[in-house]
Amino acid sequence: EDKVVQSPLSLVVHEGDTVTLNCSYEVTNFRSLLWYKQEKKAPTFLFMLTSSGIEKKSGRLSSILDKKELSSILNITATQTGDSAIYLCAGIASGNQFYFGTGTSLTVIP
Amino acid sequence: EAGVVQSPRYKIIEKKQPVAFWCNPISGHNTLYWYRQNLGQGPELLIRYENEEAVDDSQLPKDRFSAERLKGVDSTLKIQPAELGDSAVYLCASSLSWDRVDEQYFGPGTRLTVT
Repeated sequence: EDKVVQSPLSLVVHEGDTVTLNCSYEVTNFRSLLWYKQEKKAPTFLFMLTSSGIEKKSGRLSSILDKKELSSILNITATQTGDSAIYLCAGIASGNQFYFGTGTSLTVIP
Repeated sequence: EAGVVQSPRYKIIEKKQPVAFWCNPISGHNTLYWYRQNLGQGPELLIRYENEEAVDDSQLPKDRFSAERLKGVDSTLKIQPAELGDSAVYLCASSLSWDRVDEQYFGPGTRLTVT
């Protein structure tokens, strides 16, 4: 059965800390992996990763895919209270089937 | 550019009642998705449309759920009759095409509570 597992389920940090969120996947005919940030409303796109070992970066956020380990990490440096959200990871199969993880709930305390 | 529009935003119904959700995707987006997100879970794809054709509805509980996208634009998702376990947030998303997954935009969702 195809699945995506995220860890930790929740995380509480102080402003300025660096966090690493993990995503592992078992997706048949894997094509790419997506990261989303979900605040109170709908998920918003962060990164799409297709190639192993190539880091994607956007401001304080960065992500990388390891196809050998079937995993990805999302790093957030110098966290801010505005980073508090649920971070979702999704594995995409070649037929465009989406498999979302349960998410990691991040809380950043001032 | 207007985003994905969904209505209603909230709906409370009693079990066994019917309910319908409406989605208007971003203009020009051919692919439309309906997801269900239970509390503490990631979104689960229910159905995906390419224009007016449902190309992936394997996760749609067809005994009580139905969906349509008649003119390849707006879409409606219906539940009849609703059960307690249907309480969730129903998200609609759209993208230009099926392979533009990184450009999938989500609507605000409809939070359904079945009592």
